[in-house]
Amino acid sequence: GESVGLHLPTLSVQEGDNSIINCAYSNSASDYFIWYKQESGKGPQFIIDIRSNMDKRQGQRVTVLLNKTVKHLSLQIAATQPGDSAVYFCAENIGMDSSYKLIFGSGTRLLVRP
Amino acid sequence: DGGITQSPKYLFRKEGQNVTLSCEQNLNHDAMYWYRQDPGQGLRLIYYSQIVNDFQKGDIAEGYSVSREKKESFPLTVTSAQKNPTAFYLCASQGVEAGNYEQYFGPGTRLTVT
Repeated sequence: GESVGLHLPTLSVQEGDNSIINCAYSNSASDYFIWYKQESGKGPQFIIDIRSNMDKRQGQRVTVLLNKTVKHLSLQIAATQPGDSAVYFCAENIGMDSSYKLIFGSGTRLLVRP
Repeated sequence: DGGITQSPKYLFRKEGQNVTLSCEQNLNHDAMYWYRQDPGQGLRLIYYSQIVNDFQKGDIAEGYSVSREKKESFPLTVTSAQKNPTAFYLCASQGVEAGNYEQYFGPGTRLTVT
């Protein structure tokens, strides 16, 4: 989702439920996408990545889905736990100028209710 | 124990003073990055370096300077020209093998300027 001013979009889920965090990316030439998790006061941590030649990739309790037609990326977290509470960022590599830069989305805050 | 370190974790300075933030990595990564993060917002790229003795401006380079004299180190100087220096600063590194775009982040430095 897109942030509005200083307020991150927030997803609130019940512990044990599945979470789906969405991200719209900007460039149809992007060839790599990555999800990061950032806990308060810490640096982002890698969760999962996916290349543009795939539409789905699974990790431990997480799945990333890529829909290139509508330039949409989602992160699914199964059986959400309190430790999953954090801000989640998607990022894309545009891959047009031989640069390895990542372009970050504005983030979504996930709150897990006990 | 490989990783990327930033020091100090918290830094306080008076307005008008330059301050240098440290970033060191022992991952043998060629590329390094500096981001700025403001409360409730995403990451904005300040500077990046893909090889020793070379660096490029990111989206918000004004008021900042960097050097890359060694592969392991990429210090960031926040100068007195930076109008709003109070923020959370994140350093990242990345191997530049073909198709590898994952960036590894440090724990961050929170700079407060009064």
